[in-house]
Amino acid sequence: EVQLLESGGGLVQPGGSLRLSCAASGFSFPAYTMTWVRQAPGKGLEWVSSISNSGGTTYYADSVKGRFTISRDNSKNTLFLQMHSLRGEDTAVYYCAKRYCSGDTCYNAFHIWGQGTMVTVSS
Amino acid sequence: DIQLTQSPSFLSTSVGDRVTITCRASQGISTYLAWYQQKPGKAPKLLIYLASILQSGVPSRFSGSGSGTEFTLTISSLQPEDFATYYCQQLNSYPLTFGGGTKVEIK
Repeated sequence: EVQLLESGGGLVQPGGSLRLSCAASGFSFPAYTMTWVRQAPGKGLEWVSSISNSGGTTYYADSVKGRFTISRDNSKNTLFLQMHSLRGEDTAVYYCAKRYCSGDTCYNAFHIWGQGTMVTVSS
Repeated sequence: DIQLTQSPSFLSTSVGDRVTITCRASQGISTYLAWYQQKPGKAPKLLIYLASILQSGVPSRFSGSGSGTEFTLTISSLQPEDFATYYCQQLNSYPLTFGGGTKVEIK
Protein backbone atom coordinates (compact mmCIF):
# COMPACT_ATOMS: atom_id res chain seq x y z
CA GLU A 1 0.00 0.00 0.00
CA VAL A 2 1.26 3.45 -0.92
CA GLN A 3 1.56 5.46 2.27
CA LEU A 4 2.98 8.67 3.70
CA LEU A 5 3.31 9.11 7.44
CA GLU A 6 4.24 12.48 8.91
CA SER A 7 5.69 13.01 12.36
CA GLY A 8 7.45 15.66 14.39
CA GLY A 9 4.70 18.18 14.94
CA GLY A 10 3.96 19.73 18.30
CA LEU A 11 3.83 22.90 20.35
CA VAL A 12 6.74 25.30 19.94
CA GLN A 13 7.34 28.87 21.11
CA PRO A 14 7.61 31.74 18.66
CA GLY A 15 11.15 31.89 17.33
CA GLY A 16 11.66 28.20 17.94
CA SER A 17 12.51 25.33 15.60
CA LEU A 18 10.96 22.05 14.64
CA ARG A 19 11.80 19.27 12.20
CA LEU A 20 9.03 17.39 10.45
CA SER A 21 9.53 13.96 8.88
CA CYS A 22 7.49 12.06 6.32
CA ALA A 23 8.13 8.34 5.95
CA ALA A 24 7.16 6.93 2.57
CA SER A 25 6.31 3.34 1.74
CA GLY A 26 4.77 1.33 -1.07
CA PHE A 27 6.37 3.21 -3.96
CA SER A 28 9.78 4.08 -5.33
CA PHE A 29 10.40 7.17 -3.21
CA PRO A 30 13.67 8.20 -4.93
CA ALA A 31 11.82 8.56 -8.25
CA TYR A 32 9.40 11.29 -7.22
CA THR A 33 9.33 14.99 -6.45
CA MET A 34 7.84 15.46 -2.98
CA THR A 35 6.00 18.39 -1.47
CA TRP A 36 4.84 19.92 1.81
CA VAL A 37 1.44 21.60 1.96
CA ARG A 38 -0.02 23.21 5.07
CA GLN A 39 -3.44 24.22 6.29
CA ALA A 40 -3.98 26.70 9.10
CA PRO A 41 -6.96 25.97 11.36
CA GLY A 42 -10.19 26.72 9.50
CA LYS A 43 -8.30 28.00 6.46
CA GLY A 44 -7.43 26.80 2.97
CA LEU A 45 -4.50 24.87 1.58
CA GLU A 46 -1.11 26.54 1.15
CA TRP A 47 1.79 25.05 -0.79
CA VAL A 48 4.97 25.31 1.30
CA SER A 49 7.87 23.63 -0.48
CA SER A 50 8.84 21.00 -3.03
CA ILE A 51 12.01 19.01 -3.68
CA SER A 52 13.08 17.15 -6.79
CA ASN A 53 13.62 13.41 -6.76
CA SER A 54 17.39 13.74 -6.34
CA GLY A 55 17.13 16.57 -3.84
CA GLY A 56 19.09 18.84 -6.12
CA THR A 57 16.28 21.32 -6.77
CA THR A 58 14.10 22.92 -4.14
CA TYR A 59 11.26 25.44 -4.22
CA TYR A 60 9.77 27.50 -1.41
CA ALA A 61 6.80 29.74 -0.81
CA ASP A 62 7.82 33.31 -0.08
CA SER A 63 6.19 33.01 3.34
CA VAL A 64 8.78 30.42 4.45
CA LYS A 65 11.81 31.19 2.32
CA GLY A 66 14.92 31.60 4.42
CA ARG A 67 13.30 29.99 7.47
CA PHE A 68 12.34 26.50 6.25
CA THR A 69 14.54 23.91 4.55
CA ILE A 70 13.20 20.89 2.68
CA SER A 71 15.40 17.84 2.30
CA ARG A 72 15.18 14.11 1.72
CA ASP A 73 17.04 10.91 2.50
CA ASN A 74 16.38 8.57 -0.40
CA SER A 75 18.18 5.72 1.33
CA LYS A 76 15.60 5.92 4.12
CA ASN A 77 12.58 6.89 2.02
CA THR A 78 12.07 9.94 4.17
CA LEU A 79 11.22 13.57 3.49
CA PHE A 80 12.02 16.35 5.95
CA LEU A 81 11.03 19.93 6.66
CA GLN A 82 13.33 21.83 8.98
CA MET A 83 11.55 24.90 10.34
CA HIS A 84 13.31 27.78 12.09
CA SER A 85 12.19 31.18 13.41
CA LEU A 86 8.66 29.91 13.73
CA ARG A 87 5.80 32.41 13.89
CA GLY A 88 2.17 32.23 14.94
CA GLU A 89 1.13 32.23 11.30
CA ASP A 90 3.04 28.97 10.79
CA THR A 91 0.48 27.21 12.99
CA ALA A 92 -1.09 24.61 10.73
CA VAL A 93 -1.48 20.98 9.84
CA TYR A 94 1.46 20.07 7.64
CA TYR A 95 0.92 17.44 4.97
CA CYS A 96 3.51 15.74 2.83
CA ALA A 97 2.33 14.78 -0.64
CA LYS A 98 3.52 12.76 -3.60
CA ARG A 99 3.50 14.14 -7.11
CA TYR A 100 1.16 12.42 -9.57
CA CYS A 101 2.66 10.72 -12.59
CA SER A 102 0.83 9.07 -15.45
CA GLY A 103 3.17 6.86 -17.43
CA ASP A 104 6.33 8.86 -18.08
CA THR A 105 4.69 12.23 -17.48
CA CYS A 106 4.50 13.84 -14.07
CA TYR A 107 2.35 16.76 -12.98
CA ASN A 108 2.48 19.11 -10.01
CA ALA A 109 -0.72 17.59 -8.68
CA PHE A 110 -0.76 15.45 -5.54
CA HIS A 111 -2.51 12.12 -5.42
CA ILE A 112 -1.03 10.64 -2.26
CA TRP A 113 -1.15 12.60 0.99
CA GLY A 114 -0.16 11.82 4.53
CA GLN A 115 -2.54 12.21 7.44
CA GLY A 116 -0.86 15.45 8.48
CA THR A 117 1.00 16.58 11.56
CA MET A 118 -0.08 19.58 13.61
CA VAL A 119 2.37 22.39 14.37
CA THR A 120 1.29 24.96 16.94
CA VAL A 121 3.40 28.06 17.47
CA SER A 122 2.41 29.75 20.69
CA SER A 123 3.89 31.03 23.93
CA ASP B 1 2.74 34.44 -8.73
CA ILE B 2 -0.43 32.98 -10.19
CA GLN B 3 -3.50 33.71 -8.09
CA LEU B 4 -6.58 31.50 -8.21
CA THR B 5 -10.00 32.87 -7.33
CA GLN B 6 -12.75 30.39 -6.61
CA SER B 7 -16.44 31.15 -6.60
CA PRO B 8 -18.63 30.79 -4.80
CA SER B 9 -16.83 30.38 -1.50
CA PHE B 10 -19.91 28.76 0.02
CA LEU B 11 -22.72 26.78 -1.56
CA SER B 12 -25.87 25.52 0.15
CA THR B 13 -27.45 22.86 -1.98
CA SER B 14 -29.43 19.61 -1.98
CA VAL B 15 -28.84 15.98 -2.86
CA GLY B 16 -29.46 15.50 -6.57
CA ASP B 17 -28.62 19.09 -7.52
CA ARG B 18 -26.16 20.00 -10.23
CA VAL B 19 -23.26 21.98 -8.79
CA THR B 20 -20.79 24.18 -10.64
CA ILE B 21 -17.71 25.74 -9.06
CA THR B 22 -15.54 28.24 -10.91
CA CYS B 23 -11.83 28.88 -10.61
CA ARG B 24 -10.22 31.88 -12.31
CA ALA B 25 -6.47 32.24 -12.74
CA SER B 26 -4.70 35.60 -12.73
CA GLN B 27 -2.83 34.60 -15.88
CA GLY B 28 -3.15 31.89 -18.49
CA ILE B 29 -2.19 28.41 -17.34
CA SER B 30 -3.34 26.36 -20.34
CA THR B 31 -4.98 23.31 -18.76
CA TYR B 32 -2.56 23.01 -15.85
CA LEU B 33 -5.21 22.88 -13.17
CA ALA B 34 -6.31 20.29 -10.63
CA TRP B 35 -9.33 19.94 -8.38
CA TYR B 36 -9.38 18.41 -4.89
CA GLN B 37 -12.07 17.41 -2.43
CA GLN B 38 -11.44 17.72 1.29
CA LYS B 39 -13.60 16.48 4.13
CA PRO B 40 -13.18 17.70 7.73
CA GLY B 41 -10.13 16.27 9.44
CA LYS B 42 -8.96 14.50 6.30
CA ALA B 43 -6.28 15.11 3.71
CA PRO B 44 -7.35 16.43 0.31
CA LYS B 45 -8.26 13.95 -2.40
CA LEU B 46 -7.27 14.53 -6.03
CA LEU B 47 -10.37 14.49 -8.26
CA ILE B 48 -9.25 15.96 -11.58
CA TYR B 49 -5.94 16.98 -13.16
CA LEU B 50 -5.08 18.78 -16.36
CA ALA B 51 -8.43 20.55 -16.01
CA SER B 52 -10.57 17.68 -17.23
CA ILE B 53 -8.94 14.31 -16.63
CA LEU B 54 -10.71 12.32 -13.97
CA GLN B 55 -8.40 10.65 -11.48
CA SER B 56 -8.78 6.88 -11.28
CA GLY B 57 -11.61 5.82 -8.97
CA VAL B 58 -13.39 9.18 -8.98
CA PRO B 59 -17.10 8.89 -9.84
CA SER B 60 -18.13 10.05 -13.30
CA ARG B 61 -20.58 12.58 -11.87
CA PHE B 62 -17.50 14.79 -11.38
CA SER B 63 -16.22 16.62 -14.43
CA GLY B 64 -13.89 19.49 -15.14
CA SER B 65 -13.50 21.89 -18.01
CA GLY B 66 -11.73 25.04 -19.07
CA SER B 67 -8.40 26.35 -20.22
CA GLY B 68 -6.43 29.55 -20.03
CA THR B 69 -7.84 31.49 -17.11
CA GLU B 70 -11.30 30.08 -16.48
CA PHE B 71 -12.13 26.62 -15.20
CA THR B 72 -15.14 24.80 -13.80
CA LEU B 73 -15.77 21.77 -11.66
CA THR B 74 -19.21 20.26 -12.12
CA ILE B 75 -20.95 17.64 -10.03
CA SER B 76 -23.84 16.42 -12.14
CA SER B 77 -26.00 15.05 -9.32
CA LEU B 78 -24.79 15.77 -5.82
CA GLN B 79 -24.60 12.75 -3.52
CA PRO B 80 -24.53 12.81 0.31
CA GLU B 81 -20.82 11.92 0.32
CA ASP B 82 -20.02 14.94 -1.87
CA PHE B 83 -20.65 17.49 0.86
CA ALA B 84 -17.12 18.78 1.39
CA THR B 85 -14.77 21.63 0.52
CA TYR B 86 -13.34 21.81 -2.98
CA TYR B 87 -10.08 23.44 -4.01
CA CYS B 88 -8.50 24.21 -7.34
CA GLN B 89 -4.70 24.26 -7.74
CA GLN B 90 -2.54 25.44 -10.59
CA LEU B 91 0.12 23.01 -11.81
CA ASN B 92 1.72 25.43 -14.22
CA SER B 93 4.59 26.95 -12.29
CA TYR B 94 6.18 27.50 -8.90
CA PRO B 95 5.08 28.81 -6.52
CA LEU B 96 2.20 26.38 -6.76
CA THR B 97 -1.03 27.96 -5.59
CA PHE B 98 -4.47 26.88 -4.46
CA GLY B 99 -7.79 28.62 -4.71
CA GLY B 100 -9.49 29.74 -1.52
CA GLY B 101 -11.92 26.82 -1.49
CA THR B 102 -15.65 26.26 -1.96
CA LYS B 103 -17.57 24.69 0.88
CA VAL B 104 -20.57 22.68 -0.31
CA GLU B 105 -23.12 22.23 2.45
CA ILE B 106 -26.52 20.62 2.76
CA LYS B 107 -29.43 23.02 2.37
